[in-house]
Amino acid sequence: DTAVSQTPKYLVTQMGNDKSIKCEQNLGHDTMYWYKQDSKKFLKIMFSYNNKELIINETVPNRFSPKSPDKAHLNLHINSLELGDSAVYFCASSPPGTNPGETQYFGPGTRLLVL
Amino acid sequence: SQKIEQNSEALNIQEGKTATLTCNYTNYSPAYLQWYRQDPGRGPVFLLLIRENEKEKRKERLKVTFDTTLKQSLFHITASQPADSATYLCALSDTGGFKTIFGAGTRLFVKA
Repeated sequence: DTAVSQTPKYLVTQMGNDKSIKCEQNLGHDTMYWYKQDSKKFLKIMFSYNNKELIINETVPNRFSPKSPDKAHLNLHINSLELGDSAVYFCASSPPGTNPGETQYFGPGTRLLVL
Repeated sequence: SQKIEQNSEALNIQEGKTATLTCNYTNYSPAYLQWYRQDPGRGPVFLLLIRENEKEKRKERLKVTFDTTLKQSLFHITASQPADSATYLCALSDTGGFKTIFGAGTRLFVKA
């Protein structure tokens, strides 16, 4: 029944490590997103994908590399983790339409802590 | 730069009253504005959308107004209940819909 799922839910790792977060949606949506929510609770867009193609890369460092193997999945790989990467990362998806972002369905979030 | 401002302080109201949350924005001409609800430890949940050419939208106990001249949206919850306690996020999207910017949210507490 889960609409947008993310794994893992929690991720604790050391600085300099490489980690991946997976996202899957079973809603049949064409558009998927990655957001970062920092300690001040601001939710910031990182990437937007439409039909597996990158649409928006919101000045995210090259250490972050999204990959969309198919329309239902958008994974996020992070190289050389830094302390400032600690945050909650949310995946979201939205249905096709004139304005794809009108209604976004969010996953439960992945809480990343870099030590 | 584009900026969204929401009441930074928490809003405390009594059950049964109307809660009114404010969203102001600058340096942006959104195609539409959305309101989301976020509970602690969970992802945002979509509530309502209003387009730039609409003044008001309602859904059950929720009402949103949108004034593109003032660059402001008001979000009302009538007959509020303790279960309405959450953080409410305002979000703006461009015409393409691929980039949405969010406010920091307003924390609402409804006391029984």
